[in-house]
Amino acid sequence: GQQLNQSPQSMFIQEGEDVSMNCTSSSIFNTWLWYKQDPGEGPVLLIALYKAGELTSNGRLTAQFGITRKDSFLNISASIPSDVGIYFCAGPADSSNTGKLIFGQGTTLQVKP
Amino acid sequence: DTGVSQDPRHKITKRGQNVTFRCDPISEHNRLYWYRQTLGQGPEFLTYFQNEAQLEKSRLLSDRFSAERPKGSFSTLEIQRTEQGDSAMYLCASSLVGGISYGYTFGSGTRLTVV
Repeated sequence: GQQLNQSPQSMFIQEGEDVSMNCTSSSIFNTWLWYKQDPGEGPVLLIALYKAGELTSNGRLTAQFGITRKDSFLNISASIPSDVGIYFCAGPADSSNTGKLIFGQGTTLQVKP
Repeated sequence: DTGVSQDPRHKITKRGQNVTFRCDPISEHNRLYWYRQTLGQGPEFLTYFQNEAQLEKSRLLSDRFSAERPKGSFSTLEIQRTEQGDSAMYLCASSLVGGISYGYTFGSGTRLTVV
């Protein structure tokens, strides 16, 4: 079945540094989503991508839909302590219009003030 | 509208007991999803409703699990004869059919611990 692999699994960085993480799929996706989850909370949608090659920003966050449609990237510039959390990529679990998602295993980000 | 609400936030139960969780979606949303998340993993799809109809169930949803959405508004997820392997965060999400694809809103989840 479909799988999403995220790397790195975890990151520990200094405040102010830029962060890059990626997500690869075993199959082609037509939508890529990036979520952030704070401890004890549900995931919150950060960025949605719908077209190969698309580059979309949300404040200090920028995400790209890979040309091959099998990968996506998330960058965070000038990290701050509130960026701490788990970042998940997600995509449609199948080609039907159910809205069902498959998630990666997450990248845990820790920021040292 | 305060978003997707889940109750309770935390539940500790003894193995073998039944538990029920509630989800109140965003009021105009006609789709409602249940996901399960174990430690160190991303959420995994369990089931979803469109209005009151349950349209799909994952193989993860054993016969001890049942979900309902009786009037197309709130939903309940019941687990009978709980097992330690049921310990997880149970997440609910809602969306509007025809809205931005897959842009759904998650609740804060119910953390279940089976002891």
